[in-house]
Amino acid sequence: ETGVTQTPRHLVMGMTNKKSLKCEQHLGHNAMYWYKQSAKKPLELMFVYSLEERVENNSVPSRFSPECPNSSHLFLHLHTLQPEDSALYLCASSQVGTGVNYGYTFGSGTRLTVV
Amino acid sequence: AQTVTQSQPEMSVQEAETVTLSCTYDTSESNYYLFWYKQPPSRQMILVIRQEAYKQQNATENRFSVNFQKAAKSFSLKISDSQLGDTAMYFCAFPPTSRDSSYKLIFGSGTRLLVRP
Repeated sequence: ETGVTQTPRHLVMGMTNKKSLKCEQHLGHNAMYWYKQSAKKPLELMFVYSLEERVENNSVPSRFSPECPNSSHLFLHLHTLQPEDSALYLCASSQVGTGVNYGYTFGSGTRLTVV
Repeated sequence: AQTVTQSQPEMSVQEAETVTLSCTYDTSESNYYLFWYKQPPSRQMILVIRQEAYKQQNATENRFSVNFQKAAKSFSLKISDSQLGDTAMYFCAFPPTSRDSSYKLIFGSGTRLLVRP
């Protein structure tokens, strides 16, 4: 596989459930990102991992817990979510530290619905 | 604060015609990159074009080109010979700081483009 792969594509969960979103990149990048995309709102940066170290946490509630076990994989663990957490969750990767910014490669996202 | 503004929530264009999407931004940096991303109904964000701020020449990728006005902090996207497959949300984005090792991007609110047959 190539690019950035996100699973599952769709997820419906109850407020008391625990689930995880998975992201995998096959590009050899060294930084990975989680963004939240809600209707009628700009993309919100949630977490950034650079060289497998979390370098950004944008005041995200603790019910979202990221994990980056290696440079190719990124997870977002979810528990006791609220209906307002329903959104499209996008994963992206990029190469940092080269002095040149080529932008991100995105996955297709996970459409999350909290019921 | 670093901001990105897209003032056109929706636009439409006839197939084969040209359309321009606007983007303005605010930064105190002197060297940075600017990006346009496309998000079709399939949801995947795709990089359309990239501009380096220190380059005066406007970037071009086939039917897509930019009009970069650094002093005005304006970065518009021109789509020539519009095709039905260009129907999508378009986002302007840039890094809030050139010193940010993580190269995080902030995005505008998007412009929904409809290409009419």
